[in-house]
Amino acid sequence: TQLLEQSPQFLSIQEGENLTVYCNSSSVFSSLQWYRQEPGEGPVLLVTVVTGGEVKKLKRLTFQFGDARKDSSLHITAAQPGDTGLYLCAGAKNNDMRFGAGTRLTVKP
Amino acid sequence: DTGVSQNPRHKITKRGQNVTFRCDPISEHNRLYWYRQTLGQGPEFLTYFQNEAQLEKSRLLSDRFSAERPKGSFSTLEIQRTEQGDSAMYLCASSLIPYLATNEKLFFGSGTQLSVL
Repeated sequence: TQLLEQSPQFLSIQEGENLTVYCNSSSVFSSLQWYRQEPGEGPVLLVTVVTGGEVKKLKRLTFQFGDARKDSSLHITAAQPGDTGLYLCAGAKNNDMRFGAGTRLTVKP
Repeated sequence: DTGVSQNPRHKITKRGQNVTFRCDPISEHNRLYWYRQTLGQGPEFLTYFQNEAQLEKSRLLSDRFSAERPKGSFSTLEIQRTEQGDSAMYLCASSLIPYLATNEKLFFGSGTQLSVL
C-alpha cells in the first residue's frame, strides 16, 4: 500500500486544456513536494508546500496543500506539450521522504 | 557541473553477478538517499545517510542489498547475486538539511539503469 496515493495514474489531454492531479494520504506530513520526471532522468523538484491551506503558483502551475496537511493538488492551466512527464508527490515523514506512484501526463499538440 | 552524479548510467549484468553503483552528491550536502524506481512507478525508498551514518536501512529490499558512505561524501550501493527482479532504475539524491528543518529539498541524479539478464 502506497503511503501517498496519486490520481489519476494516467492523463492524456490536448494542448490548451486545464487539468488537476491529486495526491492523497491518511497521514499528516510536515511538508509535501511535487516533482516532475522525464524519461531516463531523475525527478526535478517543482515546489514545496509546508503550511496547511497553502497555495503556491509557478507560472501556469498552481499547488495547494490541504488544510489538514494530508493531501495536495496540482493544477495546470493551458497545458503545453512541454508539460508532458511524470508528476510525483513526496511527503516528509519521520525524517525521510516517501513518494507516490505518480501521474503520467501526456499533452498532445 | 555541481549536480548529483551517478555512475554508471547503464549496467547490464548476468543473473548471479554482483554490481556496485556510485553516487557523488552535491558538495557539502549532508544527506544522501538511495531509491529504486521501476517502470511506471514512483521512486521507492531504500536507505539514507546523514553524513557517514546510515540512519535507515530496514527498507533495503533484501540482505543482498547494502550501501556505504564511508567518508560522508560519495556513496556506493551494492547488490549481490543479482536477480532479474532487481532490474530497475537506481536513483541517488542528496540534500542539505538544517537541523530540524521540515522543507527538505532533494536533488536527484540521473540514475543508474540496471538490467539483469
